[in-house]
Amino acid sequence: GAGVSQSPRYKVAKRGQDVALRCDPISGHVSLFWYQQALGQGPEFLTYFQNEAQLDKSGLPSDRFFAERPEGSVSTLKIQRTQQEDSAVYLCASSLGTGHYNEQFFGPGTRLTVL
Amino acid sequence: DQQVKQNSPSLSVQEGRISILNCDYTNSMFDYFLWYKKYPAEGPTFLISISSIKDKNEDGRFTVFLNKSAKHLSLHIVPSQPGDSAVYFCAAIPSSNTGKLIFGQGTTLQVKP
Repeated sequence: GAGVSQSPRYKVAKRGQDVALRCDPISGHVSLFWYQQALGQGPEFLTYFQNEAQLDKSGLPSDRFFAERPEGSVSTLKIQRTQQEDSAVYLCASSLGTGHYNEQFFGPGTRLTVL
Repeated sequence: DQQVKQNSPSLSVQEGRISILNCDYTNSMFDYFLWYKKYPAEGPTFLISISSIKDKNEDGRFTVFLNKSAKHLSLHIVPSQPGDSAVYFCAAIPSSNTGKLIFGQGTTLQVKP
């Protein structure tokens, strides 16, 4: 049984470069979340999709961050003009339902290092 | 502002003894509380949860206690095993929300054989 997968697992970018991080949720999962985890901290919410609709993007730190899920399955988190403070692990999670509480299953994350 | 706080960055216990991990929160509007466990280079995995209308939930070796008046919850692991060594995150779900999790900073548990 496939879980949530993310690619690449590691990404090194030079400051100013654009990056794209991919998330493949568990098949059939309606809800998809992106979180950012800085070193030594807990994950922090970035954005939430219900199918293809982005219902909450309140956690995106700036307009350089953009996420999409055009067909309600795979999602991409794009960061434009990366800066050193963007260095973090980016976690994707999916859940089966849309209700208030459904267990979120996390991928292994993408570790982004901006030089 | 940190709505969910884990004030102990690390904890070390002997195998077979009890591990107690603590978490404090500031928002009275949290509906659910969860504990996640994380191994290096892996994503967090769900461990146990508790609704805000309960004060205890037990699952095998794991028990979560909720003290709403003190805005405090704790995770008890007994008996502790070396395989329990990991980072433990406390998380909360606000009541007026789609389910996004608000995490604490994490506590690294080391269980010594």
